[in-house]
Amino acid sequence: AQSVTQPDIHITVSEGASLELRCNYSYGATPYLFWYVQSPGQGLQLLLKYFSGDTLVQGIKGFEAEFKRSQSSFNLRKPSVHWSDAAEYFCAVGARGDDKIIFGKGTRLHILP
Amino acid sequence: DTEVTQTPKHLVMGMTNKKSLKCEQHMGHRAMYWYKQKAKKPPELMFVYSYEKLSINESVPSRFSPECPNSSLLNLHLHALQPEDSALYLCASSQSSRGHGAKNIQYFGAGTRLSVL
Repeated sequence: AQSVTQPDIHITVSEGASLELRCNYSYGATPYLFWYVQSPGQGLQLLLKYFSGDTLVQGIKGFEAEFKRSQSSFNLRKPSVHWSDAAEYFCAVGARGDDKIIFGKGTRLHILP
Repeated sequence: DTEVTQTPKHLVMGMTNKKSLKCEQHMGHRAMYWYKQKAKKPPELMFVYSYEKLSINESVPSRFSPECPNSSLLNLHLHALQPEDSALYLCASSQSSRGHGAKNIQYFGAGTRLSVL
């Protein structure tokens, strides 16, 4: 069965510091992978996606993620965080031919001034 | 344009009321979704419509009744809800997996914050 693990419930970083949010997935075939961000009381915004090809994908707001098949990981990175990046981040996995995507439990990002 | 519009933004209802949540998209997507999200939790899938037909019902209680009147609109009819149904209800849309070469990139609305008294 598909599953997504985000091992960190909370992450705190200082403004201007680099960020890495971890995501591990379990899926038999080639997965479709997504990162979404959610500000309090808002909907989910797509940050980036991976389907195939180049394993380093660029997204909006200066985020990037790297797909590592050998580690079943799709970690999200940003070289320098801004206070406005404080939010909940969800990793999700899907597959070709399947309308469903599976979400991880999320990582809450806190930014120190 | 990747906009999914949900109305109303907030809704307060009693346990005997009947209300409806509405969702609209104009991206030509043929799959539409309802999710329920409790605080500090990920979204939980409730229903999926593909080409205006209900394709997935995740064992949702019958007090929630979805409707897809056309390819752009999705409704969620609410009746006799319980206080534990209070949550953020999110609508999303994507290309349907039935479409050739389609990729399930889901775009979300801002949600309806529902409170059941």
